[in-house]
Amino acid sequence: QVQLQESGPGLVKPSETLSLTCTVSNYAISRGYYWGWIRQPPGKGLEWIGIIYHSGSTHYKPSLKSRVTILVDTSKNQFSLKVTSVTAADTAVYYCARVPSSSWYVDNWGQGTLVTVSS
Amino acid sequence: QSALTQPASVSGSPGQSITISCTGTSSDVGGYNYVSWYQQHPGKAPKLIIHDVSNRPSGVSNRFSGSKSGNTASLTISGLQADDEADYYCSSYTSSNTLDWVFGGGTKLTVL
Repeated sequence: QVQLQESGPGLVKPSETLSLTCTVSNYAISRGYYWGWIRQPPGKGLEWIGIIYHSGSTHYKPSLKSRVTILVDTSKNQFSLKVTSVTAADTAVYYCARVPSSSWYVDNWGQGTLVTVSS
Repeated sequence: QSALTQPASVSGSPGQSITISCTGTSSDVGGYNYVSWYQQHPGKAPKLIIHDVSNRPSGVSNRFSGSKSGNTASLTISGLQADDEADYYCSSYTSSNTLDWVFGGGTKLTVL
């Protein structure tokens, strides 16, 4: 069974860069699927951030595109998220996710990691 | 404000059936069969329960079913059980101006 695990700092200062890594177990990223990030502010709904294919092809949420970068490292079976110039509005639980390449849904989620933006 | 509109809350008694609606536009729900539904218990990651409008992943109870009519998708849960009490989110692919993936605001299901 594929497993996804987020890692990274839980506290980021305003205007700095949020960086997270997702480590995938029991499935080689290079075999296929899109891999992505979704976030959920405390007490609020879900928001898609972006996805990446093992080839490096990406799709980002238009409203976040200028601040977001998703990269993949198939040698480590990991993918990563960077969000620049963060504000309090970026405080959320960040989930990494697996997305079938033939559709648009998440079939496997990481457990999530809370990132708080505060000085 | 979420791109897809869901009722904030619904409730039902054990054994009953409930339906949660998810209303979008012809650029998302109405235009593509890429509607999915997720169940989220407090403090947990969401869990996929329906994909591509009406397909149930392996291991998901057949008490959960999905459908779509026009710009509105629906999730029906039959034979309500206490463990069904959770938040439910719909989502859809959209390409109104550019590629995007949107979620509803979520519906809190209370089992009375």
